[in-house]
Amino acid sequence: DTEVTQTPKHLVMGMTNKKSLKCEQHMGHRAMYWYKQKAKKPPELMFVYSYEKLSINESVPSRFSPECPNSSLLNLHLHALQPEDSALYLCASSQEKGGFAYEQYFGPGTRLTVT
Amino acid sequence: AQKITQTQPGMFVQEKEAVTLDCTYDTSDQSYGLFWYKQPSSGEMIFLIYQGSYDEQNATEGRYSLNFQKARKSANLVISASQLGDSAMYFCAMRPSRGYNFNKFYFGSGTKLNVKP
Repeated sequence: DTEVTQTPKHLVMGMTNKKSLKCEQHMGHRAMYWYKQKAKKPPELMFVYSYEKLSINESVPSRFSPECPNSSLLNLHLHALQPEDSALYLCASSQEKGGFAYEQYFGPGTRLTVT
Repeated sequence: AQKITQTQPGMFVQEKEAVTLDCTYDTSDQSYGLFWYKQPSSGEMIFLIYQGSYDEQNATEGRYSLNFQKARKSANLVISASQLGDSAMYFCAMRPSRGYNFNKFYFGSGTKLNVKP
């Protein structure tokens, strides 16, 4: 099973709201990722968690706050977003073992609209 | 620095014909993996095929094959017998096997493939 699940599928939020995106995988992967993707563009890396610790933060604004409660779950907390943050947010996971470049598996994404 | 280049923003192919999507990469890493992903209009990124930098044979997965030319740093995707369902955006990606950023994937800009009936 190579399934990554994400909820919700769609989210509309105002600029003063607080919301969270959720991601879950049960493949035993120890690396989990958040990406932001605008239309017709490649995914843009936001955060990487490795063994539940934040290992990469691509200078993402603090209005995005990631959390990895355990090895299967990844959250992205959203607060005071701007309209330009409207995008498809993709979660992904991968095996992690030094010396081998494992593939990533992606969830279906959350389409976020900030009004 | 890693860089993935896909020079074909859009391509058309007739149904049942083969098509090649180009990808070149630039890396100073000796050990890395190359990947192709398909993204239909629904948005989900679907993993298609993997090639390791030390693999001597080109990878194949069903109708997908990866034409790997290491000296030229190219990793082209070949789709045989195109189907209407192959219409999608295709991304080439690379990941180092080791080093500080070995968890990081680098993506090309993508190629939009349209299969004509």
